[in-house]
Amino acid sequence: DIVMTQGVLPNPVPSGESASITCRSSKSLVYKDGKTYLNWFLQRPGQSPQLLTYWMSTRASGVSDRFSGSGSGTYFTLKISRVRAEDAGVYYCQQVREYPLTFGSGTKLEIK
Amino acid sequence: EVKLLESGGGLVQPGGSLRLSCAASGFTFTDFYMSWIRQPPGKAPEWLGVIRNKANGYTTEYNPSVKGRFTISRDNTQNILYLQMNTLRAEDTAIYYCEIITTTFAYWGQGTLVTVSS
Repeated sequence: DIVMTQGVLPNPVPSGESASITCRSSKSLVYKDGKTYLNWFLQRPGQSPQLLTYWMSTRASGVSDRFSGSGSGTYFTLKISRVRAEDAGVYYCQQVREYPLTFGSGTKLEIK
Repeated sequence: EVKLLESGGGLVQPGGSLRLSCAASGFTFTDFYMSWIRQPPGKAPEWLGVIRNKANGYTTEYNPSVKGRFTISRDNTQNILYLQMNTLRAEDTAIYYCEIITTTFAYWGQGTLVTVSS
C-alpha cells in the first residue's frame, strides 16, 4: 500500500497569515497520463470531508483561490493564503493513484 | 443537487453483522463509481472499497484490511449503495461514509455511526 505522511502545523495560525501543509507519499503518484493523483480534503468540525483539490493542483468546483496545491511526484504542499476562521479543521491528503486508496493521518489547522 | 444519505448504523456485538445503505439522488447513479470510507473517532479516514459504474461492469475493489468480511453492492433500480459487514470487531467502530467519486469530483454523505461492543 502507498503510505501517506503528513506534516504538523505550528498552531495556531494568525488570521490573515499563510499556512502550508505538507504530505509525502511512499511511491510516485504520477500516472502514465502525466497527471499526479493526489487529492486534498478539509474536514471541518462535525462535518464530512470536502474535496479541495485534485490532480495535485486543480481546485475543485467552488473552492476559493486562496487554496493552492503544488508538489512533485512524492512530495506535496497545500498552501492556504490569508487564512480565515472558516479554514479551521483537519486537512487530509489522499492518493488516488492505485488501490487501495490511502489517506494521510491529517494536519490540524487552528486559527488565532 | 447531489445527495447521499447513509443509514443502518448502530450498536452491534462483536462477531455480528450489519448492512449499511446509502440512498443517492441528484445524479445518474449508474454513471458513477461509488465508494465506502470509514473514520474511527478522532482518526483519519480509511478507504474500504469501490464499486464501478455501469460502463465498467459494476466490478469491485477492496481494501485488503476488510476484504472477505465486507461486501459492496448497489441497487441500480432504486439508486442505493450497500455495505454488508460480517464478523464485526471492536476496531470496526467508526463513522461510515459513502462517496461518489470521479477523477475530478468527490462528495461524501454525512455518515452513519457503527459501534461494535458487547
